[in-house]
Amino acid sequence: DIQVTQSPSSLSASVGDRVTITCRSSQTIITFLNWYQHKPGKAPTLLISGASTLQAGVPSRFSGSGSGSDFTLTISSLQPEDFATYYCHQSYTFPHSFGQGTKLEIK
Amino acid sequence: QVQLVQSGAGVKEPGASVRISCTASGYTFTSFYIHWVRQAPGQGLEWMAMINPKGGSTFYTQKFQGKVSLTRDTSTGTVYMELNSLRSEDTAVYSCARGATRGGLQDWGQGTLVVVSS
Repeated sequence: DIQVTQSPSSLSASVGDRVTITCRSSQTIITFLNWYQHKPGKAPTLLISGASTLQAGVPSRFSGSGSGSDFTLTISSLQPEDFATYYCHQSYTFPHSFGQGTKLEIK
Repeated sequence: QVQLVQSGAGVKEPGASVRISCTASGYTFTSFYIHWVRQAPGQGLEWMAMINPKGGSTFYTQKFQGKVSLTRDTSTGTVYMELNSLRSEDTAVYSCARGATRGGLQDWGQGTLVVVSS
């Protein structure tokens, strides 16, 4: 099974900051890596699929990069509504797997 | 618009089983996999299993093999997840989600809270 290791587990930042979250898979997943935003009591929202494809309606301050086993989610300028938990998810092979999550908090 | 509507929350005794439904609408039911993800209190998202509505094939994480069973009814666009031999550790929100082959989970159900308690 493929393990996905996400870091950091938590992050404190201010509005306007640039933040980066990383995911590393235990073997190559090419670009079958997705990113989600999750707020309490709501369903997760798919932000980026295929490592770098921004989903419709997602602000352009979100971007994803990477291939093989190393991936990055970047938020270029944090907005108040961005404070949430973020997860990566590999969809290359079954069983799929999620990273442990990164809780983004207001500094 | 695409909708995945799940059955309601419930409290179950240890050892019991629970069946959660996920009814899809707004797209061709057989064209997308349905995945199940759970989130226990204070924990992250955990991928559990998948069913291909087209032929009914399934895949379960080893942890859930023998504990989870997925079925589907193509006439109603509904996927069922049965979780058996419930333990307190199974207390969680269970969510279904739609995804293309090797794609992200683009639409989610509202989640179903299952509490296991005597």
